[in-house]
Amino acid sequence: ETGVTQSPTHLIKTRGQQVTLRCSSQSGHNTVSWYQQALGQGPQFIFQYYREEENGRGNFPPRFSGLQFPNYSSELNVNALELDDSALYLCASSSQGGSYEQYFGPGTRLTVT
Amino acid sequence: DAKTTQPPSMDCAEGRAANLPCNHSTISGNEYVYWYRQIHSQGPQYIIHGLKNNETNEMASLIITEDRKSSTLILPHATLRDTAVYYCIVRVRNFGNEKLTFGTGTRLTIIP
Repeated sequence: ETGVTQSPTHLIKTRGQQVTLRCSSQSGHNTVSWYQQALGQGPQFIFQYYREEENGRGNFPPRFSGLQFPNYSSELNVNALELDDSALYLCASSSQGGSYEQYFGPGTRLTVT
Repeated sequence: DAKTTQPPSMDCAEGRAANLPCNHSTISGNEYVYWYRQIHSQGPQYIIHGLKNNETNEMASLIITEDRKSSTLILPHATLRDTAVYYCIVRVRNFGNEKLTFGTGTRLTIIP
């Protein structure tokens, strides 16, 4: 069984740029959720994708967007990066209709300068 | 989702049982109690969940009080690798409600 993987591991971007983060879900999982974790804080829910459609969204602006592909992998896109977007971005996969437990990847550390 | 309250930090001696408390006095009847932990700079790791009965798995035990207003996560024989931030979360377990609402958790330090 393959766990959740994320790429890249680390990323440095400049304010105003755009970034794409990638996530491969655990084998057998059809739902992907994205979280943002600022230093010293708990993860904050960004949004969730199920069957290639957004299925719930947290309190994040529209410049945070996502995609889910037919193989259930997912992308998180952030436009017009701001300094406060510097954080650990976590992806979690789960199975709708299954156990519903979310399994997290190792995260992508984004630094915006 | 109901709010949870946890102590910000705890210490435990290596080899002893670590007991992590969580208060969730506003929990609803259909909300489960979940525990995750996060070792430094890694993604959160699922530990255990329960509704009203006590639960045990290979990692830990979960004790939920009869009124369900509080719970305790027990790591029976703590090791140095159990040093982490532990999050107690309550949530409904159904389609369309996959969001996990994390607080600031309890930072557990295992002392050699």
